[in-house]
Amino acid sequence: GAVVSQHPSRVICKSGTSVKIECRSLDFQATTMFWYRQFPKQSLMLMATSNEGSKATYEQGVEKDKFLINHASLTLSTLTVTSAHPEDSSFYICSARGTSGATVEQYFGPGTRLTVT
Amino acid sequence: GQNIDQPTEMTATEGAIVQINCTYQTSGFNGLFWYQQHAGEAPTFLSYNVLDGLEEKGRFSSFLSRSKGYSYLLLKELQMKDSASYLCAVLNTGFQKLVFGTGTRLLVSP
Repeated sequence: GAVVSQHPSRVICKSGTSVKIECRSLDFQATTMFWYRQFPKQSLMLMATSNEGSKATYEQGVEKDKFLINHASLTLSTLTVTSAHPEDSSFYICSARGTSGATVEQYFGPGTRLTVT
Repeated sequence: GQNIDQPTEMTATEGAIVQINCTYQTSGFNGLFWYQQHAGEAPTFLSYNVLDGLEEKGRFSSFLSRSKGYSYLLLKELQMKDSASYLCAVLNTGFQKLVFGTGTRLLVSP
């Protein structure tokens, strides 16, 4: 159980275009989803926390108008990178936490490799 | 502020034991996680410590000392497949966010 999927796994886009990444919890309902970014040989950096039905909370330094997050249902969150630039090329990983108040574990998706040319 | 430190790289030999340390200074604490991450893949859960002491799970053990802001991951009987990055992450209170350490790249050689 506790499977999280991401789509697409890899995407290449041209500078100035927008890209949408989907994160789905397949066998559980996720009250909270998290979006991380990871540059080569670096650790995961939290970008934002999203709760179903409410606005995302962004970390300091993350532009909310550039990285649009939508968490419209308990099984789906999307991250849209708007007007992408080469410096946005990174590995984007989502994670989800279930609706049970007792659980603290987050389940990670397989990640999306974004390359902006 | 929040600061979570790990050694950048470690090397070890197949069959050996290796200890990966993590020190943390965070604004809140609700437990510490260890994850394994192979290149290009998502992190996979290894352990969760919220109380002081040692938690053993097969070849992997994790230790926590909250008073010292210190944890370690112990890997025994190393195998080649253990070559990966190991991430220490602290769960803070309130927002329940996971804050990741710098990560340790472990290379296991024959």
